[in-house]
Amino acid sequence: AQSVTQPDIHITVSEGASLELRCNYSYGATPYLFWYVQSPGQGLQLLLKYFSGDTLVQGIKGFEAEFKRSQSSFNLRKPSVHWSDAAEYFCAVAGEGGKLIFGQGTELSVKP
Amino acid sequence: KAGVTQTPRYLIKTRGQQVTLSCSPISGHRSVSWYQQTPGQGLQFLFEYFSETQRNKGNFPGRFSGRQFSNSRSEMNVSTLELGDSALYLCASSSTGRSEAFFGQGTRLTVV
Repeated sequence: AQSVTQPDIHITVSEGASLELRCNYSYGATPYLFWYVQSPGQGLQLLLKYFSGDTLVQGIKGFEAEFKRSQSSFNLRKPSVHWSDAAEYFCAVAGEGGKLIFGQGTELSVKP
Repeated sequence: KAGVTQTPRYLIKTRGQQVTLSCSPISGHRSVSWYQQTPGQGLQFLFEYFSETQRNKGNFPGRFSGRQFSNSRSEMNVSTLELGDSALYLCASSSTGRSEAFFGQGTRLTVV
């Protein structure tokens, strides 16, 4: 079955520190993968996507993610976190018929 | 380019009532999908429409229904509301359904 797992429910990092959010997926074919960010009470904003090609993809707000087929992973990284990055982050894989399958999300807190 | 617009942003309804939520996708996008977000269940796929046809449906009771119009605008309807239907309902549009999806701000439904 298609699924996405985000092992970390909550992560706290200091401002200026690096960040890595983990995502593992289960999907039979070549996956289309996404990372979204959500601020409280708001919709989801697309950070970046992977369809094919270069396994290191760049997104908005200084985020990047690396697709590793052998590990079924698509981890999100940022070299230096800003206080405004505090939010909830969702990893997703595109399923059949326009369906996105989301992980449970990782809540990011940023310490000053 | 205007983003995805969902109306209304907030709704309070009484158990047993019905509700209709509206979504206007990004111009040119023909796929509209709907998701329910709750703290306990996370983001769950409701259904997806492409060119007025429902292509995929999630595991929700028949009280949840939707439709898409010729201009790609979509509505979802929930009949006989239950307390457990309280959630953030998110609409997403994409050009094909397999490309990246862009989300609206959501409609916060509270059932009392």
